[in-house]
Amino acid sequence: DTEVTQTPKHLVMGMTNKKSLKCEQHMGHRAMYWYKQKAKKPPELMFVYSYEKLSINESVPSRFSPECPNSSLLNLHLHALQPEDSALYLCASSQDQGWGTEAFFGQGTRLTVV
Amino acid sequence: QKEVEQNSGPLSVPEGAIASLNCTYSDRGSQSFFWYRQYSGKSPELIMFIYSNGDKEDGRFTAQLNKASQYVSLLIRDSQPSDSATYLCAVNRGGADGLTFGKGTHLIIQP
Repeated sequence: DTEVTQTPKHLVMGMTNKKSLKCEQHMGHRAMYWYKQKAKKPPELMFVYSYEKLSINESVPSRFSPECPNSSLLNLHLHALQPEDSALYLCASSQDQGWGTEAFFGQGTRLTVV
Repeated sequence: QKEVEQNSGPLSVPEGAIASLNCTYSDRGSQSFFWYRQYSGKSPELIMFIYSNGDKEDGRFTAQLNKASQYVSLLIRDSQPSDSATYLCAVNRGGADGLTFGKGTHLIIQP
């Protein structure tokens, strides 16, 4: 099973709203990732969690707040977003160490900020 | 600065022919190399990964890696219209390093 599940699939939010994106995997992976993908661009890394600890933050604005409650779950809390934050948000997971580091992506959440 | 370069295309290939996709990377510390396929509006799907110099075959797909030249390629044999998609090359240093993606090559298989 190489499934990463993201909810919701679509989200429309106002600039003053607070919302959360959720991601779940049951592959025993200990590394989880958030990527942002704008139209016709490649995914860009936002955050990496390794063994439930934040290990990489690619200078993401504080209006995006990640959380890893346990080894299977990853959240992205959103607050006071801007219209330019509209994008496809992708969660991925992989083994943390060694050579088996291929990452599997969820189906994404398409976010529209109005 | 980690950079991954791909020709954005579109690359047009007749059905049944071999499609050849190329990628170069700048970080000599890169250890792991991946090819993802992405259909419009969908998320990336892992189709091949390679860690060692040489060729790796999986069905109609062959990945080739040359670390000395910092070059990765993907060959798709017997191309099908369903192979039409954007192919993303990605690299990392191993472990939970996150992936650096190229801009992707838009492949069109002509029936």
